[in-house]
Amino acid sequence: DSGVTQTPKHLITATGQRVTLRCSPRSGDLSVYWYQQSLDQGLQFLIQYYNGEERAKGNILERFSAQQFPDLHSELNLSSLELGDSALYFCASSVATGGSGSYEQYFGPGTRLTVT
Amino acid sequence: AQSVTQPDIHITVSEGASLELRCNYSYGATPYLFWYVQSPGQGLQLLLKYFSGDTLVQGIKGFEAEFKRSQSSFNLRKPSVHWSDAAEYFCAVAATSGTYKYIFGTGTRLKVLA
Repeated sequence: DSGVTQTPKHLITATGQRVTLRCSPRSGDLSVYWYQQSLDQGLQFLIQYYNGEERAKGNILERFSAQQFPDLHSELNLSSLELGDSALYFCASSVATGGSGSYEQYFGPGTRLTVT
Repeated sequence: AQSVTQPDIHITVSEGASLELRCNYSYGATPYLFWYVQSPGQGLQLLLKYFSGDTLVQGIKGFEAEFKRSQSSFNLRKPSVHWSDAAEYFCAVAATSGTYKYIFGTGTRLKVLA
């Protein structure tokens, strides 16, 4: 158990809908990362938050957004869903305060999103 | 740009045989490198990491990896594979410029024959 929790485990929804994925980082970790794993794109970095502020953006679509709350949990919002958004979405957390320990990420179990 | 290449998409070995999974990276500075394992339907578990120092690093489950700067490689090895090692293995490099995001390789799926 990595200490990172994600809910829900599975999500099935229709095209055009909006969903919210939730992530709680390990205790003490300030940074949260979101990754998407799909068959055609592999594991892709989407976005990083550090202590409530956006730190870095990757291949994240404009239809997707995220935020990190004062209690450090994070939510990834996916809207106007398309079939191609079906994927496994991982959240990871790290200390990210400097030093080599900042680079070690702990991954949650993922949320499997199926868009029909 | 940073990148990670895992040349082998699938590897099949017999139980008890040795294993080597290849990983090549492209990065301008000293890389921070990782190997993760993903069992079917599961999340990613850290096997081992390289930050600096000794180029041979030991990880969990009997895995080790060797960092070779001259070859830009970080290959994962195990002397004797167990059936429970069947999974997908990902090599990753961490960005060191302001963010700690990972760039992952495409993964190598390991099949173990009894």
